[in-house]
Amino acid sequence: GENVEQHPSTLSVQEGDSAVIKCTYSDSASNYFPWYKQELGKRPQLIIDIRSNVGEKKDQRIAVTLNKTAKHFSLHITETQPEDSAVYFCAAKSSGGSYIPTFGRGTSLIVHP
Amino acid sequence: NAGVMQNPRHLVRRRGQEARLRCSPMKGHSHVYWYRQLPEEGLKFMVYLQKENIIDESGMPKERFSAEFPKEGPSILRIQQVVRGDSAAYFCASSPPQGLADTQYFGPGTRLTVL
Repeated sequence: GENVEQHPSTLSVQEGDSAVIKCTYSDSASNYFPWYKQELGKRPQLIIDIRSNVGEKKDQRIAVTLNKTAKHFSLHITETQPEDSAVYFCAAKSSGGSYIPTFGRGTSLIVHP
Repeated sequence: NAGVMQNPRHLVRRRGQEARLRCSPMKGHSHVYWYRQLPEEGLKFMVYLQKENIIDESGMPKERFSAEFPKEGPSILRIQQVVRGDSAAYFCASSPPQGLADTQYFGPGTRLTVL
């Protein structure tokens, strides 16, 4: 089955800096890669996703890049703000076969004012 | 368009009691997934259901746990004879019908505490 590794587990940055979270996956059939943000005590919320026919996707301060050859994808947050502080989860899923996404273990992002 | 609903939001049970967690998917969604999350850990898949069918229950313990998604009404995750180790946040997620079923939308979760 799919295996998703996520790094780092904790990331501390100063407000205004950029933050990068990286995930690797094992199943070459995976073709959908969502990112979720979970604030303390709240539900995971989808913030951005990318499909394997696209190499990069951007939404304001958030971008995701995908390298299918190397089987890794990354979340980039620019000009970080204290409200970006949360746990971020990556996931990988194949549209064929299992419909179950495999989640990474999460990255706790702390943005210091 | 209401999002995924879960109730109760908080549930306290004593050891040996039963816990029933409910999930109403987003309107138009026919796929429901249940996850368990322990403090400072990731989301662990438990079970995937479509209306009246369990599609994948590979992540659900064989004993004491069961799930259903009837033709009418919410999906229910049932935990019998709860133990302290069942204390966790239980999230459900829903997604659209097959073919558009990539994106999952999560409910607010039920936080189960077993005394």
